[in-house]
Amino acid sequence: DSGVTQTPKHLITATGQRVTLRCSPRSGDLSVYWYQQSLDQGLQFLIQYYNGEERAKGNILERFSAQQFPDLHSELNLSSLELGDSALYFCASSAGDRIQDYGYTFGSGTRLTVV
Amino acid sequence: GENVEQHPSTLSVQEGDSAVIKCTYSDSASNYFPWYKQELGKRPQLIIDIRSNVGEKKDQRIAVTLNKTAKHFSLHITETQPEDSAVYFCAASRSNYQLIWGAGTKLIIKP
Repeated sequence: DSGVTQTPKHLITATGQRVTLRCSPRSGDLSVYWYQQSLDQGLQFLIQYYNGEERAKGNILERFSAQQFPDLHSELNLSSLELGDSALYFCASSAGDRIQDYGYTFGSGTRLTVV
Repeated sequence: GENVEQHPSTLSVQEGDSAVIKCTYSDSASNYFPWYKQELGKRPQLIIDIRSNVGEKKDQRIAVTLNKTAKHFSLHITETQPEDSAVYFCAASRSNYQLIWGAGTKLIIKP
């Protein structure tokens, strides 16, 4: 167990629907990162939050949004879902700003299937 | 923006042989270079990292080398075993909180 908790583990939904993925970082970690990994693809960085504030944005679609709450858990909201949104969504956390010092730990991911 | 290129995309080696995966980065200010291993259907896990003030780092059968002048770094796995089969990702960071990822290398260990 990495200490980063993602729920749900699996999600099947229909096109056009909206889903929310949840991530609880390791105890004490302030940064949360969201990644999308499509089948046999690399890791696409979506967005990062640090202590409740958005810190960096990657290739995140306008249909997607995220937030980090005061208790530091984060939610990734995906709306108007399309078949191409089917992927493994990973959350990672880090203690602070310094990846070099604290590392970067991934959760087990949420597998989203859009049908 | 910063870019990390990773080669090869697929590498097949005989069990017991060595495997080498190479990454090239574009931002000369990058100073941290981790390698992650992702087994099928599982989360990426850090296996080794190196900082820009070090040229080489070893941990048992794995090692990473860094050439700052050429802006490339490599992962070396010796005496490969079946459990080494996975996708390996390199990454580079110049800031403290952002990693730029390579596209991944699928390593296949043939028995």
